[in-house]
Amino acid sequence: EVQLVESGGGLVQPGGSLRLSCAVSGFTVRSNYMNWVRQAPGKGLEWVSLIYAGGSTYYAESVKDRFTISRHNYKNTLYLQMNSLRGEDTAVYYCVSGDFAYWGQGTLVTVSS
Amino acid sequence: QAVVTQEPSLTVSPRGTVTLTCGSSTGTVTSGHNAYWFQQRPGQAPRTLIFDTSNKHSWTPARFSGSLLGGKAALTLSGAQPEDEADYFCLLSYSGGRPVFGGGTKLTVL
Repeated sequence: EVQLVESGGGLVQPGGSLRLSCAVSGFTVRSNYMNWVRQAPGKGLEWVSLIYAGGSTYYAESVKDRFTISRHNYKNTLYLQMNSLRGEDTAVYYCVSGDFAYWGQGTLVTVSS
Repeated sequence: QAVVTQEPSLTVSPRGTVTLTCGSSTGTVTSGHNAYWFQQRPGQAPRTLIFDTSNKHSWTPARFSGSLLGGKAALTLSGAQPEDEADYFCLLSYSGGRPVFGGGTKLTVL
């Protein structure tokens, strides 16, 4: 059974940092590409970042140079390091398989003073 | 960055048929955009219904189908059920590796 479980969300002040984790079971992250998708309260979905099996990474313009996607092959875990956080980064962050077939339940990030 | 457009809201009668569309600011949507369709019920994570324009997952109800229609990607629901009331999002892939979601369609079954 495929499971994606996000963690690491919470309340952070503007300008702060947070690292999200996504523990994956049922397939290996190193052999697949993986995405982060977010959803601001009451809003639609926004693609944030992806990492290919080969290690190439891509980012939405809104997070480029502030967020970093990575993975730990041994732990089979995906990460999203978020720096210089802004109010508009407030959202539920979902970990999603590369083919968008499998989604985690999401973790809420709130950026506020 | 491309803008992906969807109808903000649609209403369908129980057992009725409705088509949701997904357009691109760059022009005609083709099979190369690998259109995805997602359903999101209140308080839940999205789930994928359609991938690569018209392919279904094992969990996709048979009443949903995907296609290309009039230069757009389309999701057709035939025989709407009360549980189909939800938000529906499409996603299009573009060269450069940055996919784009549509703004979503709120579907009411009434």
